[in-house]
Amino acid sequence: SYVLTQPPSVSVAPGQTARITCGGNHIGSRRVHWYQQKPGQAPVLVVHDDTDRPSGIPERFSGSNSEYTATLTISRVEAGDEADFYCQVWDSSSDHVVFGGGTKLTVL
Amino acid sequence: EVQLVESGGGLVQPGGSLRLSCEPSGFTFSDHFMDWVRQAPGKGLEWVGRARNKANSYITKYAASVKGRFTISRDDSKNSLYLQMNSLKTEDTAVYLCARVAGTYPYYYDYIDIWGKGTTVTVSS
Repeated sequence: SYVLTQPPSVSVAPGQTARITCGGNHIGSRRVHWYQQKPGQAPVLVVHDDTDRPSGIPERFSGSNSEYTATLTISRVEAGDEADFYCQVWDSSSDHVVFGGGTKLTVL
Repeated sequence: EVQLVESGGGLVQPGGSLRLSCEPSGFTFSDHFMDWVRQAPGKGLEWVGRARNKANSYITKYAASVKGRFTISRDDSKNSLYLQMNSLKTEDTAVYLCARVAGTYPYYYDYIDIWGKGTTVTVSS
């Protein structure tokens, strides 16, 4: 089955840029989606199809995808961005949804 | 307002059964694929399974960890999604989230655009 690998944690100071990676075999050929989950809350979609932002998501959130790594970039990080972030793809071979293990973003 | 509300969680003994429900509002339920996703305490998101819509023959898919024990069904006439869980194990303890898959005919996408807040299932003796 397809596996997505994320770093367990990323730390960044306020105002700086956070980059959260998601690795997978030939992930560049897949559409990658990102969710933000704050403590005690349901996940929220922040980027879909590698680079697209749903309405209401700040422009500070952006995504990219290359051959082996997809990246969620959060510019000008704020204290309120602190959350767990999950990448997700659909594995066509198994017809299953696959989530990465999640990355905890800490704002120092 | 688009919303998903889960119910039916609780404490159940290993080997027992439980049926979860999800009630949508604010959108045409029958047009969408629907997922169940779970989150064990302190852990990440785990996809449980999917129920496609009538136009896609109500096909269901399941994660390997629950296949043969869990069954997803939907009743479009009652605007409801269900998760029947049998032969429960302690490792099934989690918050179970109902989720709407983005897109409707003819464009079905592969990401989730609406999430419920979840219902808690605890499997313990």
